[in-house]
Amino acid sequence: KNQVEQSPQSLIILEGKNCTLQCNYTVSPFSNLRWYKQDTGRGPVSLTIMTFSENTKSNGRYTATLDADTKQSSLHITASQLSDSASYICVVSANSGGGADGLTFGKGTHLIIQP
Amino acid sequence: DGGITQSPKYLFRKEGQNVTLSCEQNLNHDAMYWYRQDPGQGLRLIYYSQIVNDFQKGDIAEGYSVSREKKESFPLTVTSAQKNPTAFYLCASSIGNRRQETQYFGPGTRLLVL
Repeated sequence: KNQVEQSPQSLIILEGKNCTLQCNYTVSPFSNLRWYKQDTGRGPVSLTIMTFSENTKSNGRYTATLDADTKQSSLHITASQLSDSASYICVVSANSGGGADGLTFGKGTHLIIQP
Repeated sequence: DGGITQSPKYLFRKEGQNVTLSCEQNLNHDAMYWYRQDPGQGLRLIYYSQIVNDFQKGDIAEGYSVSREKKESFPLTVTSAQKNPTAFYLCASSIGNRRQETQYFGPGTRLLVL
């Protein structure tokens, strides 16, 4: 069964500090991996998308990495800001199978930035 | 201003009542989706549509119905058969192939049961 596991479940850090969120997956055959940011009570917004051949992609202070061999991805946030407080969702797409739309969603990591 | 809109933001349902959630997009996207989000759970797919007048069941379609009469609109009806409808409902759209394309999400509708 295709699965996406995210850790930690929740994280609290001080403003200005860096942090790294983890995503492990068992989705096969792998197509791509996406990170979304979801503010409380809002819809998710795409941060990055990576295919099999990409191992790093940046979007401002957000840097995602992908190790397709170990089936792991991380999202690194540099110099955190209060506006980074949100849930971060890892979504993995399969070339076949998977959910009805081919996507498997992680449960998300809830990040709180404290001043 | 392009994007996806959902209405209402909050919706209350009485027992035995059907309610309809609206989703409209002006991104000219072919594909549209409905997801349900529960606390501590990943998003779960209810229904999706790749083209007008066509839609497919997702992983949790029981108790829900949809229509796709226009490219821009994909309303979701929560029927009385859905025994646990309290959740945050998200509509999304994508240009085409759902496995390859980024999905754009609406702001969501929170459904509560009275």
